[in-house]
Amino acid sequence: DVKVTQSSRYLVKRTGEKVFLECVQDMDHENMFWYRQDPGLGLRLIYFSYDVKMKEKGDIPEGYSVSREKKERFSLILESASTNQTSMYLCASTSSSYNSPLHFGNGTRLTVT
Amino acid sequence: AQSVTQLDSQVPVFEEAPVELRCNYSSSVSVYLFWYVQYPNQGLQLLLKYLSGSTLVESINGFEAEFNKSQTSFHLRKPSVHISDTAEYFCAVSDLRGYQKVTFGTGTKLQVIP
Repeated sequence: DVKVTQSSRYLVKRTGEKVFLECVQDMDHENMFWYRQDPGLGLRLIYFSYDVKMKEKGDIPEGYSVSREKKERFSLILESASTNQTSMYLCASTSSSYNSPLHFGNGTRLTVT
Repeated sequence: AQSVTQLDSQVPVFEEAPVELRCNYSSSVSVYLFWYVQYPNQGLQLLLKYLSGSTLVESINGFEAEFNKSQTSFHLRKPSVHISDTAEYFCAVSDLRGYQKVTFGTGTKLQVIP
């Protein structure tokens, strides 16, 4: 069974701090994604990566960056956290097979005060 | 560009009653369609998917969805719900490119009332 692990379940940070959200998958998937989930807005794609050291902007990349140095690990970075980045962050992975579904981690609930 | 509309943000239904969660999509190209479910305090997991072939697809826990190309819909149904079906349900579409970029709807919270 595919496992996507997000390092923190809950995180509280102060405005202006640099924040790292880590995600690891154990199924050798090529593609990895970071979404944020907000009530009434569903899931919105922040960044995705289809290979090591490759990244592409999603729909809402502003204020975020990502790093993928190893195939199994995809990190989301908030360079200077702001209160409007308080949200649930979901990591997902999938293989390159055209009909492969997304496999999600359990999410990190980030609060920026 | 593609988009997904889930008009109902919350759907309360009594246990053992039928339910339909509505989903409409918009896309200029052919798409794959998905329903994901999110139980409390968990990530999303795939419920069912339509890729091609039969327009009616089923999940292992009694849900079904029918792809209707003319109405651009992919509504989710279950003839008799259980308390354990209480969750948030997301409809999603992806185009046929290799990057698996998926667009999600805003979600429908299904509340099953005992």
